[in-house]
Amino acid sequence: GAGVSQSPSNKVTEKGKDVELRCDPISGHTALYWYRQRLGQGLEFLIYFQGNSAPDKSGLPSDRFSAERTGESVSTLTIQRTQQEDSAVYLCASSTRERAGGDYGYTFGSGTRLTVV
Amino acid sequence: AQSVTQLGSHVSVSEGALVLLRCNYSSSVPPYLFWYVQYPNQGLQLLLKYTTGATLVKGINGFEAEFKKSETSFHLTKPSAHMSDAAEYFCAVRASGGYQKVTFGTGTKLQVIP
Repeated sequence: GAGVSQSPSNKVTEKGKDVELRCDPISGHTALYWYRQRLGQGLEFLIYFQGNSAPDKSGLPSDRFSAERTGESVSTLTIQRTQQEDSAVYLCASSTRERAGGDYGYTFGSGTRLTVV
Repeated sequence: AQSVTQLGSHVSVSEGALVLLRCNYSSSVPPYLFWYVQYPNQGLQLLLKYTTGATLVKGINGFEAEFKKSETSFHLTKPSAHMSDAAEYFCAVRASGGYQKVTFGTGTKLQVIP
């Protein structure tokens, strides 16, 4: 597609329920990233996928968080047993292969606003 | 390891005045540096980037930033602020070479006063 697509755009869930967030990266982008942005705060790295390499999960805050990616396409971020502190905007970004002399930065999706009540 | 520090979570300038948003970074290897902008209720978009070559980089909407290795800085400037520049600005760094995650600063909210 033309851009990074995330769904749903908004999600309200009850504490303790599981949620699944979806990200469709730009076609051909081999790298995919998930970030979290809490209200009034900066971006917090969660997880990074690059091709068939093992993902960098160093940013996942707890074992309630997991993510998968199918090849170089769709990714899903799953939060189990949601807590109120999980309320945030979850952003997905993708990027193309780095070429000599240049990196094209990220293209971000519009995010999923998760509210845990 | 890398990190980014943005000085000032909120900056206010008058319309027409100089915009200066400060960013200092730390990186153990030559860095790639970025500024992203987030307009209200919108996603982040890349404003400009430094990878290699010329240290003064120009971005969209009249913004520019200069990579100063000796000062480990990448400050964002615009000569004359416009009302439409009101947004949140994020400085970011990643290590050059291969695939590396980008580390973001905590952001600076720019207010433009008419």
